[in-house]
Amino acid sequence: GENVEQHPSTLSVQEGDSAVIKCTYSDSASNYFPWYKQELGKGPQLIIDIRSNVGEKKDQRIAVTLNKTAKHFSLHITETQPEDSAVYFCAATPRNAGNMLTFGGGTRLMVKP
Amino acid sequence: KAGVTQTPRYLIKTRGQQVTLSCSPISGHRSVSWYQQTPGQGLQFLFEYFSETQRNKGNFPGRFSGRQFSNSRSEMNVSTLELGDSALYLCASNLAGGPTDTQYFGPGTRLTVL
Repeated sequence: GENVEQHPSTLSVQEGDSAVIKCTYSDSASNYFPWYKQELGKGPQLIIDIRSNVGEKKDQRIAVTLNKTAKHFSLHITETQPEDSAVYFCAATPRNAGNMLTFGGGTRLMVKP
Repeated sequence: KAGVTQTPRYLIKTRGQQVTLSCSPISGHRSVSWYQQTPGQGLQFLFEYFSETQRNKGNFPGRFSGRQFSNSRSEMNVSTLELGDSALYLCASNLAGGPTDTQYFGPGTRLTVL
């Protein structure tokens, strides 16, 4: 089955700096890679996703890149703000696995004002 | 449009009991998935239902079961509770059940087993 590894597990940045979170996956058949943000007491919320036919996607301060050959994808947050502080999860959906998401272990991002 | 709702939000049970959790998907969504979140194991897929049929099942013992009703609402049941079942149980819905469809998560049910 699919295995997703996420690094780092914690990340502390100064407000205004950039943050990068990296994930690797094992199943070359995976074709959908969402990123979720989870705040305390809430369920994960989708912030951006990328499909295997695209190498990069950007939405305002957030961008995701995908390298299918190396089987890794990354989340980039620019101009971080204190409200970006949360736990971020990457995930992958193997082809022919329905909606099953395999999640990485999560990254706790702390943005210091 | 209302989001995914889960009831109850908090639950305390003792070992050996059983529990039923409920999930109401976003209106019009036909697929419901369940996940278990623990500090040690992270987010793990339990099962997925689409049009009242279980389509996928994760690697959990048979004590974990679920069902989906004709209005797409779903329930999951855990029998013979163990201490290790203490977790946040999350429900996610999506519109058409496709593998690249966005999944929207509810706030979860926090289950504590004493």
